[in-house]
Amino acid sequence: KAGVTQTPRYLIKTRGQQVTLSCSPISGHRSVSWYQQTPGQGLQFLFEYFSETQRNKGNFPGRFSGRQFSNSRSEMNVSTLELGDSALYLCASKPPGTVNTEAFFGQGTRLTVV
Amino acid sequence: GDSVTQMEGPVTLSEEAFLTINCTYTATGYPSLFWYVQYPGEGLQLLLKATKADDKGSNKGFEATYRKETTSFHLEKGSVQVSDSAVYFCAQTDQGGKLIFGQGTELSVKP
Repeated sequence: KAGVTQTPRYLIKTRGQQVTLSCSPISGHRSVSWYQQTPGQGLQFLFEYFSETQRNKGNFPGRFSGRQFSNSRSEMNVSTLELGDSALYLCASKPPGTVNTEAFFGQGTRLTVV
Repeated sequence: GDSVTQMEGPVTLSEEAFLTINCTYTATGYPSLFWYVQYPGEGLQLLLKATKADDKGSNKGFEATYRKETTSFHLEKGSVQVSDSAVYFCAQTDQGGKLIFGQGTELSVKP
């Protein structure tokens, strides 16, 4: 079974631009979550989608948004990029079951804002 | 609020040494607990999990026991290898199911 796939792996953007990251979950997984990883703040939860609906949201500004499609693939968008948005963005999918079940992560997208 | 605290790194060990990475949590509910590992340039890999008190998770020689009385989930391995060098993250689920991570502990194993 294929794992969680994130594209692209690396991105360089200029301050003020916007960016869209993509995530394909493991087949059969309907829950997709996004996390931001930085050296200073560690791993922080952005949001979770389940069956095309945002089920949970972290404490990030409205510049960070996401969506999920009917095939469970998800995209994350960041508008008006700031230097501080430079990070590794990780997507995770969960198998059907309780909310406390384990999450499986992709390789991440490394975003650099210059 | 819910949180996870793990010992600071880096931890440097010789090959075949015993490993312990301490992890404690605070939770309002009954979380599941996890250890994830991250190799350089990669995402997180699930190492092991425990879903209720006294459960022991184990994988690839690593073990951790869910201790509700001490709110701990310490990671142990009897004999580390150079290939175990990575960053290890302890995590719990909150009541909504999102993962709350510790700050990570970098492990370096020397031959």
